Amino acid sequence: NAGVTQTPKFQVLKTGQSMTLQCAQDMNHNSMYWYRQDPGMGLRLIYYSASEGTTDKGEVPNGYNVSRLNKREFSLRLESAAPSQTSVYFCASSNPGTSYNNEQFFGPGTRLTVL
Amino acid sequence: AQSVTQLDSQVPVFEEAPVELRCNYSSSVSVYLFWYVQYPNQGLQLLLKYLSGSTLVKGINGFEAEFNKSQTSFHLRKPSVHISDTAEYFCAVSDLSNYQLIWGAGTKLIIKP
Repeated sequence: NAGVTQTPKFQVLKTGQSMTLQCAQDMNHNSMYWYRQDPGMGLRLIYYSASEGTTDKGEVPNGYNVSRLNKREFSLRLESAAPSQTSVYFCASSNPGTSYNNEQFFGPGTRLTVL
Repeated sequence: AQSVTQLDSQVPVFEEAPVELRCNYSSSVSVYLFWYVQYPNQGLQLLLKYLSGSTLVKGINGFEAEFNKSQTSFHLRKPSVHISDTAEYFCAVSDLSNYQLIWGAGTKLIIKP
């Protein structure tokens, strides 16, 4: 049982390049989330997926797109990377309405640098 | 809208001393409350959570937190810290009707030898 996995762990991009961050969970959770973490700013929600087939914008969606490929996988795409997107990205999952009561489980993160 | 305030961005404390990390939230409606810990260069893991019942919640690694509804607070405490407690601690709140978590900005716990 791996929990939440993310790939890659590290990535360096040049301005304007594109890339996709992958996330998968094996806990049969309905909801999945993408956050970014910047020093002193805590976690900011980029996009979330309440259930398979649905996605919604979070607090900071500009410059990102997401795909809920199936119940397990939720990817985050940067179409044209900018230096302001240098950050650590975390994927999380949860199963609201169950005994976990909104507890979110996190992946190890992807450290992205945009030059 | 719900908001979470962690009053201290950094808390330095000597090893084996007690520590309190403060968290206040804005709404007085029924909520779920969480503390997560992030060790250096790692993801976040759950430390403890309050869902209902006893206002004193015990978590992993000797931490505990007390839910105070009248003061809308959920402060985290440990009676004696160890160097291994060096980490950033995040408080989060969820309304019962909304599964999203609202996060505080985090508090870095710095243990001085």
